[in-house]
Amino acid sequence: DQQVKQNSPSLSVQEGRISILNCDYTNSMFDYFLWYKKYPAEGPTFLISISSIKDKNEDGRFTVFLNKSAKHLSLHIVPSQPGDSAVYFCAASRGAGNTPLVFGKGTRLSVIA
Amino acid sequence: GAGVSQSPSNKVTEKGKDVELRCDPISGHTALYWYRQSLGQGLEFLIYFQGNSAPDKSGLPSDRFSAERTGGSVSTLTIQRTQQEDSAVYLCASSPDNSAGYTFGSGTRLTVV
Repeated sequence: DQQVKQNSPSLSVQEGRISILNCDYTNSMFDYFLWYKKYPAEGPTFLISISSIKDKNEDGRFTVFLNKSAKHLSLHIVPSQPGDSAVYFCAASRGAGNTPLVFGKGTRLSVIA
Repeated sequence: GAGVSQSPSNKVTEKGKDVELRCDPISGHTALYWYRQSLGQGLEFLIYFQGNSAPDKSGLPSDRFSAERTGGSVSTLTIQRTQQEDSAVYLCASSPDNSAGYTFGSGTRLTVV
């Protein structure tokens, strides 16, 4: 039973355009959401997070949107750059403190120059 | 060191053998997590240590898996009588108090032949 779902295993976007990565969750107790980025042979690195009290959080080229009623979040990257090519994992938790995260299966983003 | 260090980076073992995977968290980080990523899957939570509290072992897939954390620092994940389905990348992460933004190590790629 997957509690965090990333239904697109891969996405290709042209350099300079917007990348939109989607994530759905089923557990209504989740109230903190994160995106991680992973390059081959490296561990995932934290990218951006959002609390359920917000519906948007922005950090430079990265924006995360949260739609609680739809149990859906998305990561927007604009403009996309070739260095953004990586696997992106959505994760969720109950609370923002130290607690195990539940991860999706990831979406492989390829930004084409 | 500055990051989370895991060793070995790669391990090939014969089915039925025991293996030990090591994690050196960031100094001062009180929380330590083990996850694994099997081929085509997301990150699966295994076990969580927080300070001196009893570890959360709810993610361990079988009693062949165990982990300990000595002195609140280094952790060892032990898999006894390895099976082929144990083949995966085992990732360790640490975080300071009150933070869900983990720092991951680069992982140990375990191959059971």
